[in-house]
Amino acid sequence: SQTIHQWPATLVQPVGSPLSLECTVEGTSNPNLYWYRQAAGRGLQLLFYSVGIGQISSEVPQNLSASRPQDRQFILSSKKLLLSDSGFYLCAGRQGSTDTQYFGPGTRLTVL
Amino acid sequence: AQKVTQAQTEISVVEKEDVTLDCVYETRDTTYYLFWYKQPPSGELVFLIRRNSFDEQNEISGRYSWNFQKSTSSFNFTITASQVVDSAVYFCALYNFNKFYFGSGTKLNVKP
Repeated sequence: SQTIHQWPATLVQPVGSPLSLECTVEGTSNPNLYWYRQAAGRGLQLLFYSVGIGQISSEVPQNLSASRPQDRQFILSSKKLLLSDSGFYLCAGRQGSTDTQYFGPGTRLTVL
Repeated sequence: AQKVTQAQTEISVVEKEDVTLDCVYETRDTTYYLFWYKQPPSGELVFLIRRNSFDEQNEISGRYSWNFQKSTSSFNFTITASQVVDSAVYFCALYNFNKFYFGSGTKLNVKP
């Protein structure tokens, strides 16, 4: 099965600063990749997904953007963070052979 | 439109009790997959089970069992003889056309 790597695990950033979260995938090629956000005590909100290099679908218009420069790399970015960007960010990959989605360990982002 | 509903926000049981987590889904498609994930306090989502829409056989894995009924659009999850380690948030999800739709989650508290 595939392994999803995310870093950093925890991040504290001031309002207005930029953001770059990286996700990489091991153990599979050409996976579908996903970024989710989870507010404290809430469910998962799909932010972006990608079916291939350079292909990004945005689910929620907001202060964030995503890029997929390589097959197994998915990056979540922001030019200027807002307080409302705080949350737990999860990267996931869908393994095509089983259609199962596996998740990374997540990044806890606090914007102050 | 696709939708997953987990009506139980939070459940508390005493260790060794059986507990059932409900999941109801909506979709007009005939081909889809259903999943259950566990989110322990550490945050990472752990894959538990995948079911495709053509396989209504119930499944048992140790203390876990799943009941899939297309007639009622339900995919319920039962934990038999619950343990403290089962305490977590459990998510039900539906997948088709490259996207996963998650329920809002059920927080299970198992008390010793």
